[in-house]
Amino acid sequence: KAGVTQTPRYLIKTRGQQVTLSCSPISGHRSVSWYQQTPGQGLQFLFEYFSETQRNKGNFPGRFSGRQFSNSRSEMNVSTLELGDSALYLCASSLMPGPNEQFFGPGTRLTVL
Amino acid sequence: QQPVQSPQAVILREGEDAVINCSSSKALYSVHWYRQKHGEAPVFLMILLKGGEQKGHEKISASFNEKKQQSSLYLTASQLSYSGTYFCGTQEGGNTGKLIFGQGTTLQVKP
Repeated sequence: KAGVTQTPRYLIKTRGQQVTLSCSPISGHRSVSWYQQTPGQGLQFLFEYFSETQRNKGNFPGRFSGRQFSNSRSEMNVSTLELGDSALYLCASSLMPGPNEQFFGPGTRLTVL
Repeated sequence: QQPVQSPQAVILREGEDAVINCSSSKALYSVHWYRQKHGEAPVFLMILLKGGEQKGHEKISASFNEKKQQSSLYLTASQLSYSGTYFCGTQEGGNTGKLIFGQGTTLQVKP
């Protein structure tokens, strides 16, 4: 069974630009969560999606948004990029929301110059 | 609020044991443990639910004290492959996938 895939793996943008990251969950998984990982802040929760609905949102500004499609694939978008948005963005999928194993993708490394 | 992990870092020799602790100020529904090696994605180790249920690897053991909202991960007879950063992630509800992660504990196992 294929794992969680994220595209692109690496991205370099400049301040003020916007970016869209994509996540394809494991087949059959309907719950997708996004996390931001930085050396200073660690792993921080961004969003949780299930059945195309955002169920939870972390403490991030409105520049961070996301969505989930009917095939469970998910995208997140960051507008008006800031230097502090440089991070590894991880997507995780699970069968359902709840106390279930989350399978993480390899992440997208975003660098904002 | 982010759970607090201790210690922040530990260095072991092969065969030695280690305990990593995770403490939250909030009432928890479950505690999850993940290990991340450098340059790789976090990998699931174990889930502990209130009520005592556990899901996870046979060779990893952990505990969850619901009254104190504390969890401990026990690594026995450590191997070189145990090296990495260990994260606890907490869930406050049973119907969410949202995990709040601790700051991580870096474990280095030396030959």
